[in-house]
Amino acid sequence: EVQLLDSGGGLVQPGGSLRLSCAVSGFTFSSYGMSWVRQAPGKGLEWVSAVSGSGDRTYYADSVKGRFTISRDNSKNTVFLQMNSLRADDTAVYYCARVEATGDTDYWGQGTLVTVSS
Amino acid sequence: QPVLTQSSSASASLGSSVRLTCTLSSGHSHYIIAWHQQQPGKAPRYLMKLEENGSYSKGSGIPDRFSGSKSGADRYLTISNLQSEDEADYYCETWDSNTRVFGGGTKLTVL
Repeated sequence: EVQLLDSGGGLVQPGGSLRLSCAVSGFTFSSYGMSWVRQAPGKGLEWVSAVSGSGDRTYYADSVKGRFTISRDNSKNTVFLQMNSLRADDTAVYYCARVEATGDTDYWGQGTLVTVSS
Repeated sequence: QPVLTQSSSASASLGSSVRLTCTLSSGHSHYIIAWHQQQPGKAPRYLMKLEENGSYSKGSGIPDRFSGSKSGADRYLTISNLQSEDEADYYCETWDSNTRVFGGGTKLTVL
């Protein structure tokens, strides 16, 4: 059974940092790209970042470029999102998701809430 | 990059059918999309991938009541025999070489 377990969310002050983790099981991790998608309170889904299966290619939405870094540890079946210089508008539930070889997002984590507030 | 446009809301009666629309922006009508369902308070769930030729492949455990189709730049999700648990937000998604895009979502109310 494919499982994605997001963690690492919490309350952080503006300008602060947070590192999200997503531990996966049930599939060959290195064969799949992974992405992070967020959802601000009462809003729709917004793609944040993605990483290739090997980790050598990374992609970012303009809204987080230069502040967020995606990475993965294929030995630990875990993908990370390092978030720096956090702003109030980064407040959201963050979901990790698996990216199928054909490009579609086919599994989602349960989400972890990040609140940026003083 | 592509843009996906969805109606903000839709409604239909229990046991009836409803068709939700996702429209691809000009120049992107050949893109593959995916549909996702998000029930209240839950994480999104993958429903299906809808190819340029109109064929679709569903995720694991998705009921036969869910189907996909297309016409030009429009991509459709049809839900037949509506159940109360189908009341949810529905998002379409597409992607290219270095970005992913979601539509704004359609809130489906089952009357």
